[in-house]
Amino acid sequence: AQSVTQLDSQVPVFEEAPVELRCNYSSSVSVYLFWYVQYPNQGLQLLLKYLSGSTLVKGINGFEAEFNKSQTSFHLRKPSVHISDTAEYFCAVSGRGTSYGKLTFGQGTILTVHP
Amino acid sequence: EAQVTQNPRYLITVTGKKLTVTCSQNMNHEYMSWYRQDPGLGLRQIYYSMNVEVTDKGDVPEGYKVSRKEKRNFPLILESPSPNQTSLYFCASSSDRTDTQYFGPGTRLTVL
Repeated sequence: AQSVTQLDSQVPVFEEAPVELRCNYSSSVSVYLFWYVQYPNQGLQLLLKYLSGSTLVKGINGFEAEFNKSQTSFHLRKPSVHISDTAEYFCAVSGRGTSYGKLTFGQGTILTVHP
Repeated sequence: EAQVTQNPRYLITVTGKKLTVTCSQNMNHEYMSWYRQDPGLGLRQIYYSMNVEVTDKGDVPEGYKVSRKEKRNFPLILESPSPNQTSLYFCASSSDRTDTQYFGPGTRLTVL
């Protein structure tokens, strides 16, 4: 079984401030990890993913995330946010192994960037 | 243009009336998946398919059926819809589960 917990349902920040969106996962096997973003009234877009190798992953729009196996976390960070980053962000996990296609999303974190 | 299309985009129906939501992709992707999105619950996977005639349950398959008879199409069938299936539904496809998933525009379903 696998699960994802996004620790903050809403994160308000001011423009140009740094932000961290927290994600913890649980899985009985090793995992692939993803962050997706959803802008209002749109589908989801991939921000970044961790498959293997370096634990620091860089994605689009200046976002990055760090895979921490010991803490089972995959937190998303951006050093300076813009108004246009206002959106809902989803962390997702897929376990390697028998449930090959199963993908589990977290509950989502709404990031609101204020001027 | 590479895309995932869903139809209809909006649907209001009544309890027990069978319905199908279609999903089609033009990227020759092997992997396709259906999700429902509910406030506070994020996206939950309903069913996924690794290839033609290969499907498996996600986290919330009860009350839904799928089929994958052609690579490009992955319809979602609700044989007897109930009000608790009122939700926003997304179809997605990718070359495999580690690759970027491309999401359709969503189908907002209301079951009265």
